[in-house]
Amino acid sequence: GNSVTQMEGPVTLSEEAFLTINCTYTATGYPSLFWYVQYPGEGLQLLLKATKADDKGSNKGFEATYRKETTSFHLEKGSVQVSDSAVYFCALSDLSENDYKLSFGAGTTVTVRA
Amino acid sequence: NAGVTQTPKFRVLKTGQSMTLLCAQDMNHEYMYWYRQDPGMGLRLIHYSVGEGTTAKGEVPDGYNVSRLKKQNFLLGLESAAPSQTSVYFCASRNGGFGNQPQHFGDGTRLSIL
Repeated sequence: GNSVTQMEGPVTLSEEAFLTINCTYTATGYPSLFWYVQYPGEGLQLLLKATKADDKGSNKGFEATYRKETTSFHLEKGSVQVSDSAVYFCALSDLSENDYKLSFGAGTTVTVRA
Repeated sequence: NAGVTQTPKFRVLKTGQSMTLLCAQDMNHEYMYWYRQDPGMGLRLIHYSVGEGTTAKGEVPDGYNVSRLKKQNFLLGLESAAPSQTSVYFCASRNGGFGNQPQHFGDGTRLSIL
């Protein structure tokens, strides 16, 4: 079956530090990959996505590259801000039965200190 | 844009009580989903629907029922609430097509069962 493994948190950083959150996946087909972000008290929002091998998704200074050879989709940001404090979820979408369902990682809590 | 709206936002129930969570989306999406979020476990799919009048079981369906009588609404019911159902519940929807279409999430319902 499909699964997503994320780097465990929590992660605490200082402002302007470099952030990496590791994500690896197992899938039977050719999944699309996503990073979602959840700010306190809110639902999940799509941060970025990649739909095929070697695609790079980017948004708000975050980037992730779909690496088929290493089955990875690591999230990076070069200089974090306090406003980036949130929970980050890696997810894959693959066909299962009659729908493309999302499989989520456990989430990584990131706290950025001023 | 309202997007995905969940009601209520918070609820406390006693063991054995019943209740219905409502999800409404105004994006004319075909697919709708109910998840529960528990610490350290990411999001787990309870039930989903691939169109009006259809429902299907997800990963953790026991103790829940759903209905999709109208395309824009997806209801999640707890017939006899148990403390193990204390969780944050998220509804999501997405457009049709392939798995590269992201899901759009509501802000969640925080449910406590005493």
